[in-house]
Amino acid sequence: GENVEQHPSTLSVQEGDSAVIKCTYSDSASNYFPWYKQELGKGPQLIIDIRSNVGEKKDQRIAVTLNKTAKHFSLHITETQPEDSAVYFCAASFQTGANNLFFGTGTRLTVIP
Amino acid sequence: GAGVSQSPRYKVAKRGQDVALRCDPISGHVSLFWYQQALGQGPEFLTYFQNEAQLDKSGLPSDRFFAERPEGSVSTLKIQRTQQEDSAVYLCASSVGQSGYEQYFGPGTRLTVT
Repeated sequence: GENVEQHPSTLSVQEGDSAVIKCTYSDSASNYFPWYKQELGKGPQLIIDIRSNVGEKKDQRIAVTLNKTAKHFSLHITETQPEDSAVYFCAASFQTGANNLFFGTGTRLTVIP
Repeated sequence: GAGVSQSPRYKVAKRGQDVALRCDPISGHVSLFWYQQALGQGPEFLTYFQNEAQLDKSGLPSDRFFAERPEGSVSTLKIQRTQQEDSAVYLCASSVGQSGYEQYFGPGTRLTVT
C-alpha cells in the first residue's frame, strides 16, 4: 500500500513568518493529495487539496506544490498567525481505485506571537 | 450547514465489553469512511461505504470490528469484546460523490478501554 512520510514533526515560527511542511509518497499511482489541519479535541479539517494534473494551487495564505516525478508535495503557509497553530497532516490516495486516504504522521506547528 | 457528527464523543469501556459508535454524515453524501487515530499519529483507514454498500473493509484490524450503513446515511462502527489496544479516536468522514475527494471529518469518538 501507500506510504506517506512527513517532515518536520514539529515546527516553530515567529508570527508573520512562513512555514513549510513536506511530504513524500511511495505509490506513483496516487493522484490526490489533501492537507488537513487538526486542532486539539477536533477532527481533521480539510484546508487545501491538489490533484495530480496540476503542480501548484493557492488559496489566500496557503499553497500546495506537487512534484509527481519526485513523488513529493509541500504545504506553504505565509504570514503565519497564532491561530495557525495546530497539527497538520498530509495525505495521499488513488482516486477511482481505493478511495481511502493514507496519512502522514503529522507536523505540530506553533506560531509564536 | 451541518457537518459530520459523531456520538458519543467519549466512551469508556471495560475490557471485554461491546461498544457502538455512531456517525451522521453530511446530508446527501454518498461516501462514508471510518478511520482510527492513535495518540500522536495520523488517521488510519478502517472501512469505506458507498451508499449502503461496504466496498472496502481491508483496514478493519480484526473480526471484532464490524461496520454498517443500512440505509445509506447513518453508520455504526461496532467493536466486540474490546481490548486495550482498541483505545483510540475513531473518526468518520464523508464525501459527496463516489470518489474520496474532499473528505469532511467529524469530531471523532475517543474510546478508552480500561
